[in-house]
Amino acid sequence: DTGVSQNPRHKITKRGQNVTFRCDPISEHNRLYWYRQTLGQGPEFLTYFQNEAQLEKSRLLSDRFSAERPKGSFSTLEIQRTEQGDSAMYLCASSLGWGGPQETQYFGPGTRLLVL
Amino acid sequence: AQKITQTQPGMFVQEKEAVTLDCTYDTSDQSYGLFWYKQPSSGEMIFLIYQGSYDEQNATEGRYSLNFQKARKSANLVISASQLGDSAMYFCATPSGAGSYQLTFGKGTKLSVIP
Repeated sequence: DTGVSQNPRHKITKRGQNVTFRCDPISEHNRLYWYRQTLGQGPEFLTYFQNEAQLEKSRLLSDRFSAERPKGSFSTLEIQRTEQGDSAMYLCASSLGWGGPQETQYFGPGTRLLVL
Repeated sequence: AQKITQTQPGMFVQEKEAVTLDCTYDTSDQSYGLFWYKQPSSGEMIFLIYQGSYDEQNATEGRYSLNFQKARKSANLVISASQLGDSAMYFCATPSGAGSYQLTFGKGTKLSVIP
């Protein structure tokens, strides 16, 4: 399977706990994106990497959210001190480059987070 | 800022019939792309079709085609010969931001295919 993979697929946690999600992009893709999707809405952009550089993080929802892509391959999204409002689907996507069809973003299966 | 409008919250179509899902967009960019994604109940966003603003031909991918009308800023998705497996949410999206790195999505249309 050469698509985008995400782990875990489901996560249930208690309010106040930290959670970390992992995304493995398509191997030749150098751009990686994180989105959040709540019920009844389209995905909402969070952050973006080009290789290992995080080029946009102003859309992360609060300072409790952070993301890394240490070697330009897989990425992690961490949420500290989770709140019930963080319950959502977290989607990762990757793309080959910029401009034209190369900017097509391919999504992983997502991680469903439930904060109790 | 880019904006995507999908005015049909829900649509029904008979199996084997064609259906059109509407999408209008607002962008200040001269060159841009438009994307359609399918999201089944499992949650994964599946890429369907891409249209570049300077493409002379409307995009087609199998049973999917895009009715692109640049002057009207519309990019409607046409699904021909609907199948039961086409039942899903469908999202229209366009890149935004410097470098066009983030996709701005519409609210989606829920398509239900009736046997």
